[in-house]
Amino acid sequence: DAKTTQPNSMESNEEEPVHLPCNHSTISGTDYIHWYRQLPSQGPEYVIHGLTSNVNNRMASLAIAEDRKSSTLILHRATLRDAAVYYCIPFYNQGGKLIFGQGTELSVKP
Amino acid sequence: DSGVTQTPKHLITATGQRVTLRCSPRSGDLSVYWYQQSLDQGLQFLIQYYNGEERAKGNILERFSAQQFPDLHSELNLSSLELGDSALYFCASSVAAGLHTDTQYFGPGTRLTVL
Repeated sequence: DAKTTQPNSMESNEEEPVHLPCNHSTISGTDYIHWYRQLPSQGPEYVIHGLTSNVNNRMASLAIAEDRKSSTLILHRATLRDAAVYYCIPFYNQGGKLIFGQGTELSVKP
Repeated sequence: DSGVTQTPKHLITATGQRVTLRCSPRSGDLSVYWYQQSLDQGLQFLIQYYNGEERAKGNILERFSAQQFPDLHSELNLSSLELGDSALYFCASSVAAGLHTDTQYFGPGTRLTVL
């Protein structure tokens, strides 16, 4: 299983961009990178996923390094509601199980 | 609201007892996943069912079992409960069997407290 490394915590100011990094140097060539987040007292929530190129959706952008050994989740304008634990998850070719690491706890200051 | 429902929201029981947690997936989703979240172990995958059949198994204890019914709802049965089983149990669902591009939608969870 590929290992991921994320900062334990990060802090941001409201309405500023946030870049959440993730290292996944042992990822295999066919594994997608998925990001989920877990808001306080809620179940995890899908954010975005990608394979090789950068991806955008209404929630965030995902920048994947050319060698695929790292990726960065970008929240363009953080809001108080974005305070959550963010998980970077290489999606293995072994069925649908998600392997959650420790994640990054993001706090957003008004 | 993810469209995944879980009942009950809270469950308090004693050691040695047996409980059943229920999950209804989003309409149209064929896969159901169970996860356990505890303070010391984090979020851990337990088991996956796809269209009634067991698809993948994680670190699920032998005291735990699950099934998915013809209407696609799923139940997680926990027996001979121990204090260490106290945790949040999440159910998730996805359209397909767990492809690389599948999105999993999580329910609000059931908080189990074993006294």
